[in-house]
Amino acid sequence: AQKITQTQPGMFVQEKEAVTLDCTYDTSDQSYGLFWYKQPSSGEMIFLIYQGSYDEQNATEGRYSLNFQKARKSANLVISASQLGDSAMYFCAMRGINTGGFKTIFGAGTRLFVKA
Amino acid sequence: NAGVTQTPKFQVLKTGQSMTLQCAQDMNHEYMSWYRQDPGMGLRLIHYSVGAGITDQGEVPNGYNVSRSTTEDFPLRLLSAAPSQTSVYFCASSPLTSGRRNTGELFFGEGSRLTVL
Repeated sequence: AQKITQTQPGMFVQEKEAVTLDCTYDTSDQSYGLFWYKQPSSGEMIFLIYQGSYDEQNATEGRYSLNFQKARKSANLVISASQLGDSAMYFCAMRGINTGGFKTIFGAGTRLFVKA
Repeated sequence: NAGVTQTPKFQVLKTGQSMTLQCAQDMNHEYMSWYRQDPGMGLRLIHYSVGAGITDQGEVPNGYNVSRSTTEDFPLRLLSAAPSQTSVYFCASSPLTSGRRNTGELFFGEGSRLTVL
């Protein structure tokens, strides 16, 4: 069975500082994808970053980077130079390719508060 | 570009009523799925489909039915609504194949807020 765990219900960070949002996963698939999505207070879901299980380098997209540690089954999101607009819910997600049947499951989310 | 379109955006039902949440996408995505979002529980997968004529259950399928007669449409049916089905529902689609341009990320609709009294 697949499972995503996000252990931080809420996080605070000072504007312009970096913050790490934790995500651990469990899967029996050898091939899978890991994703992070942002949900602002307006409610829409915004894709941020993707890491494939066979990618050797950590993914980066602008101020977002994914700290992928395969042996530890963790896929933490790092946001550098936080901005007030980063205040939102953040969800870690995983798509299993083999036994997962391509379905994508989500963690419970972390609410990030950026302080001015 | 329409993307993923969900209707209705808001709905209030009485216990025992039935309704269908509509979802349509115009991106020719093979994969479509329905999630419900409840406070503190993230997005939970209800049903998903990897192509026309193929559907499967997700994490919380009870009380919901789906069908996939075309690539574009993936309606979610509540046959007898219960207060426990009060939630925000999201439809999402993606291409199945991953590659240089497709990571398999989900494209979401705007969500449908359902209240069951």
